[in-house]
Amino acid sequence: DAGVIQSPRHEVTEMGQEVTLRCKPISGHNSLFWYRQTMMRGLELLIYFNNNVPIDDSGMPEDRFSAKMPNASFSTLKIQPSEPRDSAVYFCASSTQGGNQPQHFGDGTRLSIL
Amino acid sequence: GQQVMQIPQYQHVQEGEDFTTYCNSSTTLSNIQWYKQRPGGHPVFLIQLVKSGEVKKQKRLTFQFGEAKKNSSLHITATQTTDVGTYFCAGLGGSYIPTFGRGTSLIVHP
Repeated sequence: DAGVIQSPRHEVTEMGQEVTLRCKPISGHNSLFWYRQTMMRGLELLIYFNNNVPIDDSGMPEDRFSAKMPNASFSTLKIQPSEPRDSAVYFCASSTQGGNQPQHFGDGTRLSIL
Repeated sequence: GQQVMQIPQYQHVQEGEDFTTYCNSSTTLSNIQWYKQRPGGHPVFLIQLVKSGEVKKQKRLTFQFGEAKKNSSLHITATQTTDVGTYFCAGLGGSYIPTFGRGTSLIVHP
């Protein structure tokens, strides 16, 4: 079975540029999470979708970050404009029932903002 | 809000020694999950505990959930180099979103 698919795997761009990260959750999973991982702050939840609806976006750092889930099989996380402090590994994860069931993580996108 | 503290942050062991990481929540949990992340990899689900005082084993790994459902531990017997990685707990409290601990990084010296 295909797991959670994220793209791109690596992204290097200059500050000020728009960055779009993509995620395809596991088919049949109705919960989707976006995380950011850094050495300083660990694994931070950015936003949680349930049935394509954003339920909790309190972890989104600021207005430069936005996330969408137009359908059950696709989600995007966008940063505009990007800044060097946004450099991190961004993970997408999905589950069948929010936090009551295991989360399946994608391989992540390693983002470097120069 | 709910906080999940995990200790220690790092643990160096000689291969064959035992290892334990502890997770403590500021609130009562409905469940706790454990994940392992290999260096350069992504978190991978290991196990979920739901019942008070629950103990589950996976080969050399033993997972416990406290009687008050506010703490948990992961114990590895006779570590191997394949155990290297960061172990995270994730506790589900009153909300529907689990809170991850900062993780314990296990370094095994051959």
